[in-house]
Amino acid sequence: GAGVSQSPSNKVTEKGKDVELRCDPISGHTALYWYRQSLGQGLEFLIYFQGNSAPDKSGLPSDRFSAERTGGSVSTLTIQRTQQEDSAVYLCASRLDQETQYFGPGTRLLVL
Amino acid sequence: KQEVTQIPAALSVPEGENLVLNCSFTDSAIYNLQWFRQDPGKGLTSLLLIQSSQREQTSGRLNASLDKSSGRSTLYIAASQPGDSATYLCAVYLGGSEKLVFGKGTKLTVNP
Repeated sequence: GAGVSQSPSNKVTEKGKDVELRCDPISGHTALYWYRQSLGQGLEFLIYFQGNSAPDKSGLPSDRFSAERTGGSVSTLTIQRTQQEDSAVYLCASRLDQETQYFGPGTRLLVL
Repeated sequence: KQEVTQIPAALSVPEGENLVLNCSFTDSAIYNLQWFRQDPGKGLTSLLLIQSSQREQTSGRLNASLDKSSGRSTLYIAASQPGDSATYLCAVYLGGSEKLVFGKGTKLTVNP
């Protein structure tokens, strides 16, 4: 595709529900990143996938957060038992080799 | 722990003015530094990427400089236009890591 796409663009959920956020990276990009941007905060690294290597999960804030990348392409970020503090914009980015990261438009998550 | 600071947090200028945005980082062992632009409700767009061995990069009316020894980068915008209004984010790649560490951004408003 022309760029990184994310779905849904907006998600409103109730506290305690599980949510799944999807990222379609640029075709051929081997690296995929998830970030979180909370109101008034900078972008926070969550997780990084590179090819078939084990992902770097060091940024995940709790064990309620998990992510997978199927077939080296599409990635899903899952948040279980959502809390109000999970409300944020979740951004996905992909990268080829040592080039810049290309970001998607983000998913705006609101937990009521 | 690498920390990235951007000053000022917000800036409002009249159209046509030249301006400088500042970024500082605490650990000089960076792989490269990037400047991004974020428009409201949108993802990030990469503006300039400076490798650690470089001093500056230029693209159109934008010029970014990097001084690793002092832990500083500046983004110079010449002849500002209302369309330049956005939040500008500075981010560094840590040496030996695939993570980008972001500042909280400078929100720029260019008034016609």
